[in-house]
Amino acid sequence: GEDVEQSLFLSVREGDSSVINCTYTDSSSTYLYWYKQEPGAGLQLLTYIFSNMDMKQDQRLTVLLNKKDKHLSLRIADTQTGDSAIYFCAETEDSGTYKYIFGTGTRLKVLA
Amino acid sequence: DAGVIQSPRHEVTEMGQEVTLRCKPISGHDYLFWYRQTMMRGLELLIYFNNNVPIDDSGMPEDRFSAKMPNASFSTLKIQPSEPRDSAVYFCASSLAGSGGRTYEQYFGPGTRLTVT
Repeated sequence: GEDVEQSLFLSVREGDSSVINCTYTDSSSTYLYWYKQEPGAGLQLLTYIFSNMDMKQDQRLTVLLNKKDKHLSLRIADTQTGDSAIYFCAETEDSGTYKYIFGTGTRLKVLA
Repeated sequence: DAGVIQSPRHEVTEMGQEVTLRCKPISGHDYLFWYRQTMMRGLELLIYFNNNVPIDDSGMPEDRFSAKMPNASFSTLKIQPSEPRDSAVYFCASSLAGSGGRTYEQYFGPGTRLTVT
């Protein structure tokens, strides 16, 4: 079945860049998403990328997609303490199932 | 819009008791999803509805779990009887349908933290 994998933890210093990585197995993935979960809250969509794109930039966020290696990354420039959260990668395919496959989540800790 | 509303936010109950979690999706959304989040298993999709009809309940762990959506603005997830291993955060999410079978962004509620003692 489909699988989405992420590393569990990442620690960076305030002002540095953070790179959160994700690998997926489903070659028919059409949309790939990054969600952010702050403590005690639900998930919030940060950004998404279509499978026919290689890169998407949105302010401090850059998403890179390598379809050949089935690798997705989220880069956060000038990381701030408010970026500390769990980041989830998710994918869905264009089969009409409407189901997301979520990764395990990466806990980002930003050190002041 | 107030977003997805879930109640209660916290629930503590004893093993064997019935638990009912409630969700009000965003008005106009076609899809409603119930998820469970634990440290051990991460985020799991339990069941989802389209236009109030259950589409896929393959993630529901046992017959003790049931979900209903009597109308477009309300859904419940019931656990009867509850067990300590059901302790988790339960999220409800809703979304619009996308064209060509693609879903739009899922909007998550704040979750219900369930503790079964």
